[in-house]
Amino acid sequence: QLQLQESGPGLVKPSETLSLTCTVSGGSIYSSGSYWDWIRQPPGKGLEWIGTISHSGNTNYNPSLKSQVTISVDTSKNQFSLTLSSVTAADTALYYCVSVRSNSSDWYFFDFWGQGALVTVSS
Amino acid sequence: DVVMTQSPLSLPVTLGQPASISCRSSQSLVYSDGNTYLNWFQQRPGQSPRRLIYKVSKRDSGVPDRFSGSGSGTDFTLEISRVEAEDVGVYYCMQGTQWPYTFGQGTKLEIK
Repeated sequence: QLQLQESGPGLVKPSETLSLTCTVSGGSIYSSGSYWDWIRQPPGKGLEWIGTISHSGNTNYNPSLKSQVTISVDTSKNQFSLTLSSVTAADTALYYCVSVRSNSSDWYFFDFWGQGALVTVSS
Repeated sequence: DVVMTQSPLSLPVTLGQPASISCRSSQSLVYSDGNTYLNWFQQRPGQSPRRLIYKVSKRDSGVPDRFSGSGSGTDFTLEISRVEAEDVGVYYCMQGTQWPYTFGQGTKLEIK
């Protein structure tokens, strides 16, 4: 059973960079067909997909955030990370790391979630 | 982007009664591999979302059989046959057919 755990600062100043790390346990981040995603949820609002990275490092980002977002993977630590540059108050949200799996004929979306990391953007 | 539109956004239900949530997509969700990647998630108060249904109608392990999903193309439905107190929360549909993945606005289920 996969377990995901987000970590990182809970408070970021406007115009600075938000950085979060997700540690994966119970499985290898380098498993073939594994994808690792970030989703966020502003307080009291709905879910927004941020982007994804494959086990081999290929990325795809939400165009609404593409200019700000970088997702990277560190297979030696079984972690993947999110950086969001030039943040504003609108980036205040609960940030979740989630898993996606694929095999030759199917995709399985978001079957495992972290508990979420609340990041507040404020001076 | 594929827009996912849920209705209703608020759903008061009496315990033991059925409930139904509609989800419509702005484009067909049939993927090139023939699968339809429409998922349903439940978010209980204070918890991370949990997937209930994947590929329109396949129930995840541990999900009570009172939950069922149906639909095709652009119209999908989540049904709860008899609502229980533990079903309170927000339900989201989500499409994984096309990047960027998108969610519906969420439907808040509450007990009358």
